[in-house]
Amino acid sequence: DAGVTQSPTHLIKTRGQQVTLRCSPKSGHDTVSWYQQALGQGPQFIFQYYEEEERQRGNFPDRFSGHQFPNYSSELNVNALLLGDSALYLCASSFDQGQPQHFGDGTRLSIL
Amino acid sequence: RKEVEQDPGPFNVPEGATVAFNCTYSNSASQSFFWYRQDCRKEPKLLMSVYSSGNEDGRFTAQLNRASQYISLLIRDSKLSDSATYLCVVTSGTYKYIFGTGTRLKVLA
Repeated sequence: DAGVTQSPTHLIKTRGQQVTLRCSPKSGHDTVSWYQQALGQGPQFIFQYYEEEERQRGNFPDRFSGHQFPNYSSELNVNALLLGDSALYLCASSFDQGQPQHFGDGTRLSIL
Repeated sequence: RKEVEQDPGPFNVPEGATVAFNCTYSNSASQSFFWYRQDCRKEPKLLMSVYSSGNEDGRFTAQLNRASQYISLLIRDSKLSDSATYLCVVTSGTYKYIFGTGTRLKVLA
């Protein structure tokens, strides 16, 4: 039973570029959430997808967008990258409201 | 005021010690509470859910105090392998997880 998988593991980009991160949820899960974790901080909620729609969003600018596909996998897109976007990006999946979320290994994004 | 606050530590304790962490939250409407463990440069892993009546899982005990809006985690008989960052999670609304900044624990031989 595969857990949450994310790709790529590491990514290096330069300012102004665009990036797409991918996530496959744990088998049986239909909800995907994305988080940004800066060094020394707790994960910050970006948004959550359910039934291919953004269900809730955190305090992130419109440069951060996402998508969920019919097979429940998801993408996180970030446009016009800034140095401050350097972080660990975590995807988490769950099945039902209030149920614990399970995290992938994350994508470490570095902006030069 | 942050929505979820934790003492960042670090807590340095000897093997076998009992250690407790607290986490306070500001939204009285929060419904679900969890403790996650995160090892250095790894993903958070669910340690335990926190229920109103309190719950125990081996050496770990979690408590919820809705009146004072805090949750706690107690670790008994600390092991070297317990060294990690412990993240408190509170739900905001139905879907949104709010994480604390985490409390670092180092168990010393």
